[in-house]
Amino acid sequence: SQTIHQWPATLVQPVGSPLSLECTVEGTSNPNLYWYRQAAGRGLQLLFYSVGIGQISSEVPQNLSASRPQDRQFILSSKKLLLSDSGFYLCAWNPGGNTEAFFGQGTRLTVV
Amino acid sequence: EDKVVQSPLSLVVHEGDTVTLNCSYEVTNFRSLLWYKQEKKAPTFLFMLTSSGIEKKSGRLSSILDKKELFSILNITATQTGDSAVYLCAALSAGGAGKSTFGDGTTLTVKP
Repeated sequence: SQTIHQWPATLVQPVGSPLSLECTVEGTSNPNLYWYRQAAGRGLQLLFYSVGIGQISSEVPQNLSASRPQDRQFILSSKKLLLSDSGFYLCAWNPGGNTEAFFGQGTRLTVV
Repeated sequence: EDKVVQSPLSLVVHEGDTVTLNCSYEVTNFRSLLWYKQEKKAPTFLFMLTSSGIEKKSGRLSSILDKKELFSILNITATQTGDSAVYLCAALSAGGAGKSTFGDGTTLTVKP
């Protein structure tokens, strides 16, 4: 069966520090991978998606970047965090086509 | 710009009540409408609706899609405290990337 791992669960970082959030999927190959951010009381905003290794599409201009160095690994990064980067970050995958997404447990990031 | 709007944003009911959650969408290249339940962290999948007028049902939950009016509803009958959660509606776009546009969610609170 497929599983998705996302870490860390919580993170407190000072403004200007770097960020690296990691997500890995097991039990499938060539998944579509997604990074979402959820502000308090809001829905999920799609930040990045990837349909293959090294293929990254950005949905919104921002202070973040994403990379997919391996088929089932998706990384969200920042060189210098801003206060506005605080939020709940969710990684997700689907096998493509007309299917639902499967989500990781999320990372709550607080930038102080 | 693709848009999904949910209403109401929050709802408080008592156990045993029936609730109806609403979702309207304006999405280019629409493929399917999905409902998720988010209790603490990871949203979990409830329904996918692709065809108009065909009700999907799972226990006390049911949902239907109207592709002419660009609208979907999620019904929960005989609510229980365990139904308390944020219910997210998402419009899945056609294409291999499997991108979804999410609404802001409806926060349902069921009181004993």
